[in-house]
Amino acid sequence: KQEVTQIPAALSVPEGENLVLNCSFTDSAIYNLQWFRQDPGKGLTSLLLIQSSQREQTSGRLNASLDKSSGRSTLYIAASQPGDSATYLCAVRHNTDKLIFGTGTRLQVFP
Amino acid sequence: GAVVSQHPSRVICKSGTSVKIECRSLDFQATTMFWYRQFPKKSLMLMATSNEGSKATYEQGVEKDKFLINHASLTLSTLTVTSAHPEDSSFYICSARGWTGEKLFFGSGTQLSVL
Repeated sequence: KQEVTQIPAALSVPEGENLVLNCSFTDSAIYNLQWFRQDPGKGLTSLLLIQSSQREQTSGRLNASLDKSSGRSTLYIAASQPGDSATYLCAVRHNTDKLIFGTGTRLQVFP
Repeated sequence: GAVVSQHPSRVICKSGTSVKIECRSLDFQATTMFWYRQFPKKSLMLMATSNEGSKATYEQGVEKDKFLINHASLTLSTLTVTSAHPEDSSFYICSARGWTGEKLFFGSGTQLSVL
């Protein structure tokens, strides 16, 4: 059974810091991995999607890497801003339609 | 990006009543829709997967008679919580995928509170 874990569970940093959020999964036979952002009481916004054959994806200040063999992905946020404050979720997909979500990292960036 | 509209955003109801939540894909045809449940400060748990025109597939432990899912068209799926009880209070989120898309697009969620 696939289990997805995110570390740290919560993070509070001053504005401007570079951040690394971690995601690990127990079954490496994934189809893809996706990072999402969730604001309080809201739905999810897709940030980055990495196919199993890819090593990383970049979008603006965000960079996600994937090491499938070791069951790890990281989300790198450069020059963090207060607007980045949210919960970040990673999710893995196998050769089905299902996404299995991680436990999330609650990020707070203060001015 | 694609837009998924979920309605209502918040509902408060009395125990024993039924509540319907709608999920619409506004600018694409959603061949597959998913319903998730989220408890406070917890991650999303998949409840069921629905494909247009066919019966939903429920995850283990999810009561299909309690959580009725209908996906009658390529743009609309509904989740009906029947005879709601306080333990059904939760945040419900739908998501949708189109014909060829890899990404899932999520609705804004529905906070259900059962008194």
